[in-house]
Amino acid sequence: DTAVSQTPKYLVTQMGNDKSIKCEQNLGHDTMYWYKQDSKKFLKIMFSYNNKELIINETVPNRFSPKSPDKAHLNLHINSLELGDSAVYFCASSRRDTLNTEAFFGQGTRLTVV
Amino acid sequence: AQSVAQPEDQVNVAEGNPLTVKCTYSVSGNPYLFWYVQYPNRGLQFLLKYITGDNLVKGSYGFEAEFNKSQTSFHLKKPSALVSDSALYFCAVRVNTNAGKSTFGDGTTLTVKP
Repeated sequence: DTAVSQTPKYLVTQMGNDKSIKCEQNLGHDTMYWYKQDSKKFLKIMFSYNNKELIINETVPNRFSPKSPDKAHLNLHINSLELGDSAVYFCASSRRDTLNTEAFFGQGTRLTVV
Repeated sequence: AQSVAQPEDQVNVAEGNPLTVKCTYSVSGNPYLFWYVQYPNRGLQFLLKYITGDNLVKGSYGFEAEFNKSQTSFHLKKPSALVSDSALYFCAVRVNTNAGKSTFGDGTTLTVKP
């Protein structure tokens, strides 16, 4: 049983399109995250939600909008895709938003904008 | 601002030899430190963490790390490397400020040669 699952695993799309990535966790965790990993493998947090409430919103273009319909799901919608959005996007969750809890990561969505 | 440095992009060791992957941090306040491993085309997996107490922390797959407050370091170690340990390793820190955001190092690629 996959703990944190993302769909799709691969996404190839043209510039200017709008796309969504879905994430679900079956761990009963309260907190979910979106991370971006660029071509150099650097990892940066984008958003964090705790019990459906946004708690971290890094300097991310407005074209990126997270949505959390319930605490088990955190989807990422991206408008007007640009070449620079190409990256691997990871969803993660943790038991609660306390400092001593580790995160569980999904397998990633490799987004390629052409 | 909090930061994590992994000074080596790449670490190469021979199978059976001890390995060390270095991590230093800079924070205001008490740090919570984590190590994660990423295998090719996979998400990050949690290895171990330091919260409080014993400075030597043991984790998955025979890895351990030592918290050194005076040197602000949290180096990852293993007494005897395996070829299957070859992967990308990330150090991360959280503190009780900045919404508890995790900051990741840039990653270190470990290659273990037979």
